[in-house]
Amino acid sequence: EPEVTQTPSHQVTQMGQEVILRCVPISNHLYFYWYRQILGQKVEFLVSFYNNEISEKSEIFDDQFSVERPDGSNFTLKIRSTKLEDSAMYFCASSEDGSRTEAFFGQGTRLTVV
Amino acid sequence: SQQGEEDPQALSIQEGENATMNCSYKTSINNLQWYRQNSGRGLVHLILIRSNEREKHSGRLRVTLDTSKKSSSLLITASRAADTASYFCATAGTSGTYKYIFGTGTRLKVLA
Repeated sequence: EPEVTQTPSHQVTQMGQEVILRCVPISNHLYFYWYRQILGQKVEFLVSFYNNEISEKSEIFDDQFSVERPDGSNFTLKIRSTKLEDSAMYFCASSEDGSRTEAFFGQGTRLTVV
Repeated sequence: SQQGEEDPQALSIQEGENATMNCSYKTSINNLQWYRQNSGRGLVHLILIRSNEREKHSGRLRVTLDTSKKSSSLLITASRAADTASYFCATAGTSGTYKYIFGTGTRLKVLA
């Protein structure tokens, strides 16, 4: 069964460093998303991406964040200068036809900023 | 309350019992999805119900949607210890939006 894969599963980084989280969406899906979940809290929307453009972003997704589809399979989230409060589980998701269809999530990357 | 709030926040039942979780939301939706999350793990898609549907079944899961009350319920029948997890609803708005908004979740514990 097709699935969304994320790497790495766990990343520890120093405050102020840049991190890139990677995702391989399901191959025939056209819409991609990043969400985050701070420990014990809600799953929060960060950004959606379609046709090589950001479709929608939340107020959390400020200038520190960027997304890219560098090739035909990967979808990345970059955090330029990490802060302690960026520590969270980051989930990538993909869907076939925007939010009209099911969104399938990866297993997540646990980011720890120290 | 925020879009997508589940109740109860926590639920503890015995194996074999049914578990019912509710989700309320505030704005019009295109569809609503339910997800399961085992502790510290990924989000597993369970079921999607569209705004023009009232009920859907998948195995031991039954989901209902009442758009007039802006609420949905997830029923897990004959629960098992393996059903222990957090359950989230996620709503997709009507046209012009490209995101799913998650609720606060219900932590279900099924005791063997």
